[in-house]
Amino acid sequence: AQSVTQPDIHITVSEGASLELRCNYSYGATPYLFWYVQSPGQGLQLLLKYFSGDTLVQGIKGFEAEFKRSQSSFNLRKPSVHWSDAAEYFCAVGAGNQFYFGTGTSLTVIP
Amino acid sequence: GAVVSQHPSRVICKSGTSVKIECRSLDFQATTMFWYRQFPKQSLMLMATSNEGSKATYEQGVEKDKFLINHASLTLSTLTVTSAHPEDSSFYICSASLTRGYNEQFFGPGTRLTVL
Repeated sequence: AQSVTQPDIHITVSEGASLELRCNYSYGATPYLFWYVQSPGQGLQLLLKYFSGDTLVQGIKGFEAEFKRSQSSFNLRKPSVHWSDAAEYFCAVGAGNQFYFGTGTSLTVIP
Repeated sequence: GAVVSQHPSRVICKSGTSVKIECRSLDFQATTMFWYRQFPKQSLMLMATSNEGSKATYEQGVEKDKFLINHASLTLSTLTVTSAHPEDSSFYICSASLTRGYNEQFFGPGTRLTVL
Protein backbone atom coordinates (compact mmCIF):
# COMPACT_ATOMS: atom_id res chain seq x y z
CA ALA A 1 0.00 0.00 0.00
CA GLN A 2 1.12 3.52 -0.73
CA SER A 3 2.24 5.57 2.23
CA VAL A 4 3.97 8.80 3.17
CA THR A 5 6.15 8.94 6.24
CA GLN A 6 7.40 12.00 8.03
CA PRO A 7 9.61 10.53 10.77
CA ASP A 8 9.90 13.71 12.79
CA ILE A 9 6.74 14.71 14.60
CA HIS A 10 8.26 17.84 16.02
CA ILE A 11 11.46 19.78 15.34
CA THR A 12 12.90 22.77 17.14
CA VAL A 13 15.55 24.95 15.55
CA SER A 14 17.13 28.26 16.37
CA GLU A 15 16.42 31.22 14.16
CA GLY A 16 19.08 31.44 11.49
CA ALA A 17 19.93 27.77 11.67
CA SER A 18 19.46 25.40 8.75
CA LEU A 19 16.49 23.09 8.51
CA GLU A 20 15.79 19.73 6.97
CA LEU A 21 12.43 17.99 7.19
CA ARG A 22 12.31 14.39 6.12
CA CYS A 23 9.76 12.68 3.93
CA ASN A 24 9.77 9.13 2.66
CA TYR A 25 7.19 7.53 0.45
CA SER A 26 6.28 4.07 -0.58
CA TYR A 27 5.08 3.66 -4.12
CA GLY A 28 6.05 1.49 -7.05
CA ALA A 29 6.64 4.24 -9.55
CA THR A 30 7.78 7.83 -9.12
CA PRO A 31 4.82 9.73 -7.78
CA TYR A 32 4.13 13.42 -7.80
CA LEU A 33 5.58 14.96 -4.64
CA PHE A 34 4.54 18.05 -2.74
CA TRP A 35 5.37 20.02 0.37
CA TYR A 36 2.73 22.17 2.05
CA VAL A 37 2.86 24.47 5.05
CA GLN A 38 -0.03 25.13 7.41
CA SER A 39 -0.19 27.90 9.99
CA PRO A 40 -2.48 27.32 13.00
CA GLY A 41 -6.14 27.35 12.06
CA GLN A 42 -5.34 28.01 8.43
CA GLY A 43 -5.46 26.14 5.17
CA LEU A 44 -2.46 24.82 3.35
CA GLN A 45 -0.01 26.67 1.19
CA LEU A 46 2.02 24.90 -1.46
CA LEU A 47 5.76 25.35 -0.93
CA LEU A 48 6.99 23.33 -3.87
CA LYS A 49 6.29 20.28 -5.99
CA TYR A 50 8.13 17.70 -8.05
CA PHE A 51 6.67 16.05 -11.10
CA SER A 52 9.74 15.19 -13.17
CA GLY A 53 13.06 16.59 -14.36
CA ASP A 54 15.60 18.26 -12.11
CA THR A 55 15.56 16.49 -8.78
CA LEU A 56 16.36 19.66 -6.83
CA VAL A 57 13.25 21.78 -6.68
CA GLN A 58 13.11 25.40 -5.59
CA GLY A 59 10.04 26.69 -3.85
CA ILE A 60 8.68 29.77 -2.19
CA LYS A 61 9.98 31.38 0.98
CA GLY A 62 13.50 30.13 0.35
CA PHE A 63 12.65 26.44 0.62
CA GLU A 64 14.00 23.71 -1.59
CA ALA A 65 13.54 19.96 -1.74
CA GLU A 66 15.51 17.15 -3.29
CA PHE A 67 14.00 14.03 -4.78
CA LYS A 68 16.14 10.95 -4.27
CA ARG A 69 14.71 7.99 -6.11
CA SER A 70 17.11 5.49 -4.55
CA GLN A 71 16.00 6.50 -1.07
CA SER A 72 12.34 7.17 -1.92
CA SER A 73 12.77 10.48 -0.20
CA PHE A 74 11.77 14.07 -0.80
CA ASN A 75 13.33 16.08 2.00
CA LEU A 76 12.62 19.76 2.50
CA ARG A 77 15.44 22.15 3.31
CA LYS A 78 16.02 25.77 4.15
CA PRO A 79 19.47 27.23 4.78
CA SER A 80 18.40 29.82 7.34
CA VAL A 81 15.15 29.58 9.25
CA HIS A 82 13.10 32.64 10.15
CA TRP A 83 10.76 32.90 13.11
CA SER A 84 7.84 33.16 10.69
CA ASP A 85 8.61 29.66 9.43
CA ALA A 86 7.14 28.15 12.59
CA ALA A 87 4.21 26.06 11.36
CA GLU A 88 3.12 22.56 10.46
CA TYR A 89 4.68 21.05 7.37
CA PHE A 90 3.11 18.30 5.33
CA CYS A 91 4.64 16.15 2.66
CA ALA A 92 2.16 14.77 0.14
CA VAL A 93 2.24 12.20 -2.59
CA GLY A 94 0.06 11.88 -5.65
CA ALA A 95 0.06 8.41 -7.13
CA GLY A 96 -2.43 7.14 -9.63
CA ASN A 97 -5.79 8.38 -8.54
CA GLN A 98 -4.75 8.67 -4.93
CA PHE A 99 -3.39 11.57 -2.93
CA TYR A 100 -1.85 11.08 0.49
CA PHE A 101 -0.59 13.44 3.13
CA GLY A 102 2.08 12.57 5.61
CA THR A 103 1.38 12.98 9.31
CA GLY A 104 3.12 16.32 9.42
CA THR A 105 6.11 17.84 11.19
CA SER A 106 5.59 20.68 13.60
CA LEU A 107 8.37 23.25 13.46
CA THR A 108 9.21 25.49 16.39
CA VAL A 109 11.68 28.30 15.91
CA ILE A 110 13.43 29.72 18.96
CA PRO A 111 15.02 33.14 18.96
CA GLY B 1 -4.27 34.35 -8.33
CA ALA B 2 -5.71 30.91 -7.55
CA VAL B 3 -7.60 31.89 -4.43
CA VAL B 4 -10.02 29.53 -2.75
CA SER B 5 -12.45 30.70 -0.10
CA GLN B 6 -14.54 28.80 2.40
CA HIS B 7 -17.62 29.92 4.22
CA PRO B 8 -18.19 29.90 7.08
CA SER B 9 -14.80 29.88 8.76
CA ARG B 10 -16.35 28.69 12.01
CA VAL B 11 -19.70 27.14 12.78
CA ILE B 12 -21.22 25.83 15.97
CA CYS B 13 -24.39 23.81 15.75
CA LYS B 14 -26.56 21.56 17.83
CA SER B 15 -26.51 17.83 17.47
CA GLY B 16 -28.97 16.62 14.85
CA THR B 17 -28.86 19.70 12.66
CA SER B 18 -27.34 19.96 9.20
CA VAL B 19 -24.52 22.28 8.29
CA LYS B 20 -23.51 23.46 4.84
CA ILE B 21 -19.96 24.56 4.04
CA GLU B 22 -19.21 26.40 0.82
CA CYS B 23 -15.98 26.26 -1.13
CA ARG B 24 -15.43 28.77 -3.91
CA SER B 25 -12.63 29.30 -6.38
CA LEU B 26 -12.54 33.07 -6.69
CA ASP B 27 -10.40 33.71 -9.73
CA PHE B 28 -10.33 30.48 -11.68
CA GLN B 29 -12.59 27.69 -12.80
CA ALA B 30 -12.06 24.54 -10.80
CA THR B 31 -12.57 21.35 -12.72
CA THR B 32 -12.02 19.30 -9.60
CA MET B 33 -12.61 20.05 -5.95
CA PHE B 34 -11.51 18.04 -2.97
CA TRP B 35 -12.79 17.89 0.58
CA TYR B 36 -10.52 16.99 3.47
CA ARG B 37 -11.02 16.49 7.16
CA GLN B 38 -8.38 17.23 9.73
CA PHE B 39 -8.45 16.23 13.37
CA PRO B 40 -6.43 18.20 15.92
CA LYS B 41 -2.71 17.69 15.58
CA GLN B 42 -3.25 15.22 12.77
CA SER B 43 -2.87 15.09 9.06
CA LEU B 44 -5.50 15.72 6.42
CA MET B 45 -7.72 12.90 5.34
CA LEU B 46 -9.22 13.05 1.88
CA MET B 47 -12.96 12.60 2.14
CA ALA B 48 -14.10 12.97 -1.44
CA THR B 49 -13.30 14.27 -4.87
CA SER B 50 -15.83 16.03 -7.02
CA ASN B 51 -15.74 17.01 -10.66
CA GLU B 52 -18.15 19.62 -11.95
CA GLY B 53 -21.24 17.98 -13.34
CA SER B 54 -20.43 14.57 -11.89
CA LYS B 55 -21.23 12.80 -8.68
CA ALA B 56 -18.58 12.99 -6.02
CA THR B 57 -16.23 10.08 -5.47
CA TYR B 58 -15.97 9.25 -1.80
CA GLU B 59 -13.01 7.66 -0.09
CA GLN B 60 -13.45 4.37 1.64
CA GLY B 61 -15.06 4.73 5.02
CA VAL B 62 -16.66 8.11 4.32
CA GLU B 63 -20.44 8.03 4.62
CA LYS B 64 -22.01 9.41 1.47
CA ASP B 65 -25.34 10.06 3.13
CA LYS B 66 -23.78 11.97 5.98
CA PHE B 67 -21.39 14.09 3.93
CA LEU B 68 -23.27 15.35 0.90
CA ILE B 69 -21.14 17.01 -1.73
CA ASN B 70 -22.50 19.11 -4.55
CA HIS B 71 -20.21 20.55 -7.20
CA ALA B 72 -22.79 22.96 -8.57
CA SER B 73 -20.56 24.95 -10.87
CA LEU B 74 -16.95 25.39 -11.87
CA THR B 75 -16.48 27.80 -8.97
CA LEU B 76 -18.59 26.34 -6.20
CA SER B 77 -18.69 23.12 -4.24
CA THR B 78 -20.65 22.54 -1.06
CA LEU B 79 -20.26 20.02 1.72
CA THR B 80 -23.34 19.38 3.82
CA VAL B 81 -22.90 17.52 7.07
CA THR B 82 -26.29 16.01 7.68
CA SER B 83 -27.63 15.24 11.16
CA ALA B 84 -24.37 16.34 12.67
CA HIS B 85 -23.12 14.74 15.87
CA PRO B 86 -20.27 15.70 18.19
CA GLU B 87 -17.96 13.17 16.51
CA ASP B 88 -18.33 15.16 13.28
CA SER B 89 -16.61 18.10 14.94
CA SER B 90 -13.47 18.75 12.97
CA PHE B 91 -11.60 21.09 10.67
CA TYR B 92 -12.83 20.75 7.11
CA ILE B 93 -10.64 21.98 4.27
CA CYS B 94 -11.46 22.14 0.60
CA SER B 95 -9.14 22.46 -2.32
CA ALA B 96 -9.66 23.18 -5.97
CA SER B 97 -7.77 22.11 -9.05
CA LEU B 98 -7.66 23.53 -12.52
CA THR B 99 -7.48 20.09 -13.99
CA ARG B 100 -9.01 16.70 -13.37
CA GLY B 101 -6.73 15.47 -10.65
CA TYR B 102 -4.75 16.62 -7.69
CA ASN B 103 -1.70 18.06 -9.40
CA GLU B 104 -2.46 21.71 -8.87
CA GLN B 105 -4.51 21.92 -5.72
CA PHE B 106 -5.20 25.29 -4.14
CA PHE B 107 -6.47 25.10 -0.60
CA GLY B 108 -9.13 27.05 1.18
CA PRO B 109 -8.59 28.42 4.70
CA GLY B 110 -10.72 25.74 6.32
CA THR B 111 -13.93 25.60 8.33
CA ARG B 112 -13.97 24.72 12.01
CA LEU B 113 -17.14 22.76 12.81
CA THR B 114 -18.16 22.24 16.41
CA VAL B 115 -21.21 20.13 17.13
CA LEU B 116 -22.62 20.47 20.64
